[in-house]
Amino acid sequence: DQQVKQNSPSLSVQEGRISILNCDYTNSMFDYFLWYKKYPAEGPTFLISISSIKDKNEDGRFTVFLNKSAKHLSLHIVPSQPGDSAVYFCAASASGSARQLTFGSGTQLTVLP
Amino acid sequence: DGGITQSPKYLFRKEGQNVTLSCEQNLNHDAMYWYRQDPGQGLRLIYYSQIVNDFQKGDIAEGYSVSREKKESFPLTVTSAQKNPTAFYLCASRRSTGVSYGYTFGSGTRLTVV
Repeated sequence: DQQVKQNSPSLSVQEGRISILNCDYTNSMFDYFLWYKKYPAEGPTFLISISSIKDKNEDGRFTVFLNKSAKHLSLHIVPSQPGDSAVYFCAASASGSARQLTFGSGTQLTVLP
Repeated sequence: DGGITQSPKYLFRKEGQNVTLSCEQNLNHDAMYWYRQDPGQGLRLIYYSQIVNDFQKGDIAEGYSVSREKKESFPLTVTSAQKNPTAFYLCASRRSTGVSYGYTFGSGTRLTVV
């Protein structure tokens, strides 16, 4: 039973264009969401997060949108750069759960020069 | 610089042997976690510990064991009972207080059974 789903295993985007990565969740107790970026043979690195009391959080080229009613979040990268090519994981946590992170299966983003 | 160190980066194990993966952090984080990554799958939680001398099973704990004798260290033993141990293993830690609920990850250990 996957509580966090990333339905697109891969995405290719032209350099300079917008990348949109999507994530859906089923557990209504999740109240904090994060995006991680991962290169091969390395640990994930934190990218951006959003609390359930907000619907948007922005950090430079990265913006995360949260639609609580649809249980959906998305990560927008504008403009996309070749160095953004990596696997992106969506993660969620709930209060009272030791703040464990539940991860999606990841989306491989390839930014084409 | 503070961080999490996982060693070794690559590890080979013969079938039927136990092997221990090291995870050390100097971030003064209370909570530590072990995840496993397989191709095409997300990160699955093996074990976690919120405090010294206490740990809890995650979603896929069978065939694994851990200890948390020191705040800085959370080693993972992959036992011979783990049927499919070849994977990429990630250790993470987190502060227990503050507004950030994100983890800091180590660089991982690639375990291959030969």
